[in-house]
Amino acid sequence: AQTVTQSQPEMSVQEAETVTLSCTYDTSESDYYLFWYKQPPSRQMILVIRQEAYKQQNATENRFSVNFQKAAKSFSLKISDSQLGDAAMYFCAYSPMEYGNKLVFGAGTILRVKS
Amino acid sequence: GAGVSQSPSNKVTEKGKDVELRCDPISGHTALYWYRQSLGQGLEFLIYFQGNSAPDKSGLPSDRFSAERTGGSVSTLTIQRTQQEDSAVYLCASSLTSALYNEQFFGPGTRLTVL
Repeated sequence: AQTVTQSQPEMSVQEAETVTLSCTYDTSESDYYLFWYKQPPSRQMILVIRQEAYKQQNATENRFSVNFQKAAKSFSLKISDSQLGDAAMYFCAYSPMEYGNKLVFGAGTILRVKS
Repeated sequence: GAGVSQSPSNKVTEKGKDVELRCDPISGHTALYWYRQSLGQGLEFLIYFQGNSAPDKSGLPSDRFSAERTGGSVSTLTIQRTQQEDSAVYLCASSLTSALYNEQFFGPGTRLTVL
């Protein structure tokens, strides 16, 4: 069974600084997707960034980028120039390349941004 | 109505009662997912619907849980004889299809508290 592990229950970052959230996963599949979701206090899950496993180039979305290490099964999220609005729970998620797109989530990392 | 909506926002019930949670997906989305988020944990897949196909019920934790989707749109998640361990936030998501490249859009969830 696929599992997703986020080893940092909480992280703090100073406004305008950079922070990296860690995620590792376990799978025997060769093709899959990986995602980072943000969940603010409103509970609304928002897709931050996604990575297709067969693409070697790391995905980037504005201030958000990933470091995808397929052999190590590692998928970390880097947030640059952190803003107060980045404070939220961040979830790493995995989906196998099979019909259904059922997401497997990690336990989440609470990110606090200090002004 | 641009997003996924869920009702009620909060539900408090007594142990042993039945509850119904409703999800209105984005219009035109053929895939609909239910997830459960227990306190301090990540999301757990429950069930998903894709068009007129039989639903994938592989994540339902017990036979007290059931879901239906009428007319390929609105979905209802029913929990019979609720137990305290059912207390959680229940999130619904929809996507254009169940293909991996289609983003899942989440609703704000229903927080269920079983006393």
